[in-house]
Amino acid sequence: AQTVTQSQPEMSVQEAETVTLSCTYDTSENNYYLFWYKQPPSRQMILVIRQEAYKQQNATENRFSVNFQKAAKSFSLKISDSQLGDTAMYFCAFMPTGANNLFFGTGTRLTVIP
Amino acid sequence: GAGVSQSPSNKVTEKGKDVELRCDPISGHTALYWYRQSLGQGLEFLIYFQGNSAPDKSGLPSDRFSAERTGGSVSTLTIQRTQQEDSAVYLCASSLTGILGEQYFGPGTRLTVT
Repeated sequence: AQTVTQSQPEMSVQEAETVTLSCTYDTSENNYYLFWYKQPPSRQMILVIRQEAYKQQNATENRFSVNFQKAAKSFSLKISDSQLGDTAMYFCAFMPTGANNLFFGTGTRLTVIP
Repeated sequence: GAGVSQSPSNKVTEKGKDVELRCDPISGHTALYWYRQSLGQGLEFLIYFQGNSAPDKSGLPSDRFSAERTGGSVSTLTIQRTQQEDSAVYLCASSLTGILGEQYFGPGTRLTVT
C-alpha cells in the first residue's frame, strides 16, 4: 500500500521568513515521483514542485525547494522569503511509475503572518 | 488558454437524489482524473480516463458512483441515491499523456447532501 503522511496539520510563518513542511511516505516501489501541491481558498490545486526518485539532486523552483531523503522516505518542502500569497493548504503527493493516480497526504494549512 | 472547468461550483441535494457533476478538461489533454476531497482529508482517487482505453475505476467507493467521458473530452461523474457521507469537494484534473504528474486541476464542485 502507498501512504503519504503529513504530520503538521497547521503551521504559521512570519512574512519574509522561511518555513519547512514535512512529508513522509511508505512504498515498496523503487521508481516513483513526488509532488507538492498548493490549494488556496479558491480550491484550485496548483503544482508547486516535483521530484523524480531516481534523481539525487533536490528540485528547486524559485523560492520553493525540497529536501528529498530517499532512504528515509522523506520529502520536505522549504519555502523561503514567505509571502502572504503563500497562505494555503499544501499537499504532498506520490505517484509510482506506471500508476494512474496520485496518492495524497492530508495536507498542512500554512498561514503567512504579515 | 482555458484551464479545467467544473460545474456546478456548489450543489446541495437531498439524501436519496441523484447528482451529476461535470468536468471540461484542457483541450488536447487525453488523461482525465476524478478525486474526492472530504473535510480534513487529502484527495482520494476515484477514476481515471486515458484516451479511448477502458477507464481505471478502482477508486470508486461504491456502485452508486459512475463516470463517463464522451468524445474523449467532457466527463460526467454521477452519484446515485446520494448519502450524507458523499458530501465532499469533487475535483477533476487533466494531463497530457507522457507528462507524469503534471495534472491540472479544476476548482472543484462542493457537494452537500442534506
